[in-house]
Amino acid sequence: GQQVMQIPQYQHVQEGEDFTTYCNSSTTLSNIQWYKQRPGGHPVFLIQLVKSGEVKKQKRLTFQFGEAKKNSSLHITATQTTDVGTYFCAVVRMDSSYKLIFGSGTRLLVRP
Amino acid sequence: GAVVSQHPSRVICKSGTSVKIECRSLDFQATTMFWYRQFPKKSLMLMATSNEGSKATYEQGVEKDKFLINHASLTLSTLTVTSAHPEDSSFYICSASFPGQGTYEQYFGPGTRLTVT
Repeated sequence: GQQVMQIPQYQHVQEGEDFTTYCNSSTTLSNIQWYKQRPGGHPVFLIQLVKSGEVKKQKRLTFQFGEAKKNSSLHITATQTTDVGTYFCAVVRMDSSYKLIFGSGTRLLVRP
Repeated sequence: GAVVSQHPSRVICKSGTSVKIECRSLDFQATTMFWYRQFPKKSLMLMATSNEGSKATYEQGVEKDKFLINHASLTLSTLTVTSAHPEDSSFYICSASFPGQGTYEQYFGPGTRLTVT
């Protein structure tokens, strides 16, 4: 079945440093979504990308979808302590189920 | 945005008993809801897809007789963990989506932390 690999597993940065997490697939993806889960919380939808080479920004967050639609990245500029959490990429199965296939997640820790 | 509630948020039960978890979409109708299980510091594992008015679809390896799912209305799905054992202790999260909007994003409930003693 379709799988997405996500790296790194975790990253510990100093506040103000940048952070990037990557998702990769061996097959072409129709779309990719990103979610954030705070410690003890539930996943919250951040964004969806569907077009080849698409780049979207949300304040300090930049999301990219690769030209071949096999990879995606989330970049945070100048991290803040509020960015702490686990970031998941996920792919929607475009059959009638609309199931989400989650990546393994990247846990971000920010030192103040 | 769409709001999904889950009840209870935490539950402790004794081994051998059953526990029911409710998932409600508060401001929209959800024909499809999903149930996930999450172990500490791990990703979300899809357990089953709950379809209003029909039987749930379970993922491979998930026992349907142990994890009973009922989607009785367009706003409520329930997950019952039957004859719970300590290995069933986990964080259970539901989500709902309405693909008709074209975005396919899922809205997650706050989760239920189940501890089986």
